[in-house]
Amino acid sequence: DIQMTQSPSSVSASVGDRVTITCRASQDISRWLVWYQQKPGTAPKLLIYAASSLQSGVPSRFSGSGSGTEFTLTISSLQPEDFATYYCQQANSFPYSFGQGTKLEIK
Amino acid sequence: QVHLVESGGGVVQPGRSLRLSCAASGFTFSNYALHWVRQAPGKGLEWVADVSKDGSNKFYADSVKGRFTISRDNSKNMLSLQMNSLRPEDTALYYCVREPVGTPPAFDVWGQGTMVTVSS
Repeated sequence: DIQMTQSPSSVSASVGDRVTITCRASQDISRWLVWYQQKPGTAPKLLIYAASSLQSGVPSRFSGSGSGTEFTLTISSLQPEDFATYYCQQANSFPYSFGQGTKLEIK
Repeated sequence: QVHLVESGGGVVQPGRSLRLSCAASGFTFSNYALHWVRQAPGKGLEWVADVSKDGSNKFYADSVKGRFTISRDNSKNMLSLQMNSLRPEDTALYYCVREPVGTPPAFDVWGQGTMVTVSS
């Protein structure tokens, strides 16, 4: 099974900051990496699929990159509504698996 | 409007069974693979099971294999999860999730979740 590891587990940042979250897969998953955002009490929301494709309606300050085993999610200029928990997920093979999450908090 | 609405959660004793349902609306149900994803209180996301658009292929997480059964009824736009031999570690919010077929895989629509609590 493929293990997904995110870093950091939590990060504090200010509005306007640039933030990068890393996700590593335990084996090559090509570009089948997905990013979600989850706010407290709500279901996760799809942000990016296929490592770098922005889901319709997601602001362009979100971007993704990477392939193989290492991937990043970047938020170019944090907005107040971006403070949430972010998860990566590999969709290369079953069983699908998620990273443990990265909590983005206000500094 | 695309909607996935889960139901069937509740409090159940260890070893007992529970059946979750997910009612879909606003899209062509039979064009999508469907999944269950769960989240224990205060914890991260865990993929549970998948069923292909025609119901012919199913996959399960090791943690539920042999105990849970996923199924779908395309004539009723319904997804189900039969959960047997429940354990305390199955306590979680269970989400019904849609995955488009023929595009790069991703969960593009999520339900609001139904809570399952396994406790004596």
